[in-house]
Amino acid sequence: EAGVAQSPRYKIIEKRQSVAFWCNPISGHATLYWYQQILGQGPKLLIQFQNNGVVDDSQLPKDRFSAERLKGVDSTLKIQPAKLEDSAVYLCASSPGQGWREQYFGPGTRLTVT
Amino acid sequence: SQQGEEDPQALSIQEGENATMNCSYKTSINNLQWYRQNSGRGLVHLILIRSNEREKHSGRLRVTLDTSKKSSSLLITASRAADTASYFCATSVIGRDDKIIFGKGTRLHILP
Repeated sequence: EAGVAQSPRYKIIEKRQSVAFWCNPISGHATLYWYQQILGQGPKLLIQFQNNGVVDDSQLPKDRFSAERLKGVDSTLKIQPAKLEDSAVYLCASSPGQGWREQYFGPGTRLTVT
Repeated sequence: SQQGEEDPQALSIQEGENATMNCSYKTSINNLQWYRQNSGRGLVHLILIRSNEREKHSGRLRVTLDTSKKSSSLLITASRAADTASYFCATSVIGRDDKIIFGKGTRLHILP
């Protein structure tokens, strides 16, 4: 079974530029998560989708971050404009459905903002 | 916000020894999970223990949960070089089993 796919794996941008990350969850998984992991810390949930609907985006900085999952499969996370403090690894995870406890993570995208 | 806090922050042991790391949390939970993160395999789920369970085993892993003390421990027996990784506890939000909050993690280094 293929795992969660993410691209790109690495991205370096200057502050005030925009960037987008892509995630393809495990086939059939209805729930998709985006996390931000700053160096030395645990992952922090940014947004959770159930199919193409948002379940939780309480910690998403909506002035600069946006995410969508239009067809209930792939998802994109965008940052516009980026700040230095956005430098982190962005992890995508999926699970079979709402209420499912275990999450399956992708390899992440390491973002460096200079 | 991070609910769980792992202790110690970093741990180095000799290969073959046992490694113990602890997690303390602040509010009531339905379950607690442990995840491992290394550069090779990313973040991987290890084990889940429910609030009505006190101990659980999986291979060389043993997890305990003390809800009265709001703490959990992860024991890795007979450590191997491949166990070198960061270990995170993740606690569920009451009423939302699919929302988990990660701690800052324990960085474990197995010495040859």
